[in-house]
Amino acid sequence: DAKTTQPNSMESNEEEPVHLPCNHSTISGTDYIHWYRQLPSQGPEYVIHGLTSNVNNRMASLAIAEDRKSSTLILHRATLRDAAVYYCILGYNNNDMRFGAGTRLTVKP
Amino acid sequence: ETGVTQSPTHLIKTRGQQVTLRCSSQSGHNTVSWYQQALGQGPQFIFQYYREEENGRGNFPPRFSGLQFPNYSSELNVNALELDDSALYLCASSFPGTSGSGYNEQFFGPGTRLTVL
Repeated sequence: DAKTTQPNSMESNEEEPVHLPCNHSTISGTDYIHWYRQLPSQGPEYVIHGLTSNVNNRMASLAIAEDRKSSTLILHRATLRDAAVYYCILGYNNNDMRFGAGTRLTVKP
Repeated sequence: ETGVTQSPTHLIKTRGQQVTLRCSSQSGHNTVSWYQQALGQGPQFIFQYYREEENGRGNFPPRFSGLQFPNYSSELNVNALELDDSALYLCASSFPGTSGSGYNEQFFGPGTRLTVL
């Protein structure tokens, strides 16, 4: 099974952009790249997903490398509410999504 | 629109006992997935139910079993509890189903915290 590698933790200042990296060098051709985040004492929530092209939504942007071996989740202006654990996940369907340990994002006021 | 709900919130059991956890999916969602999240780790996929049939299973032993009901709510049953079963158990629902190509955003409940003593 393809795995993802993320930094254990990152810090950001409020109102500044945040780039959360994810390496997935053994990604298969059919794997989508999903990002979920988990706020304290809550279940994970969907952030964004993509296959090959960069994606934007109201929460974030997802930049996918041309060889698909890495991706970056971009939060354009971090707020205190964005402090969470961010998971980069590979999977074709949502019955084979493989979570790693994620990146704990701290946002400083 | 009611989100995903889980019961109970917390549960304490002793080794060897059996436990049943419950999940009500978000309105209109016909697919339910269960995850186990140990402290400090990411969720691990246990299994998924689609229209009352198991539709995918992770690397968990048979003592982890489940059901989905006609209203799409679901149960997770764990027999012969072990200390390592202590974890947060998360339920997630999605729509319209599992066919296709990973578009199906999952909506997670708040989880049930199980402690096995």
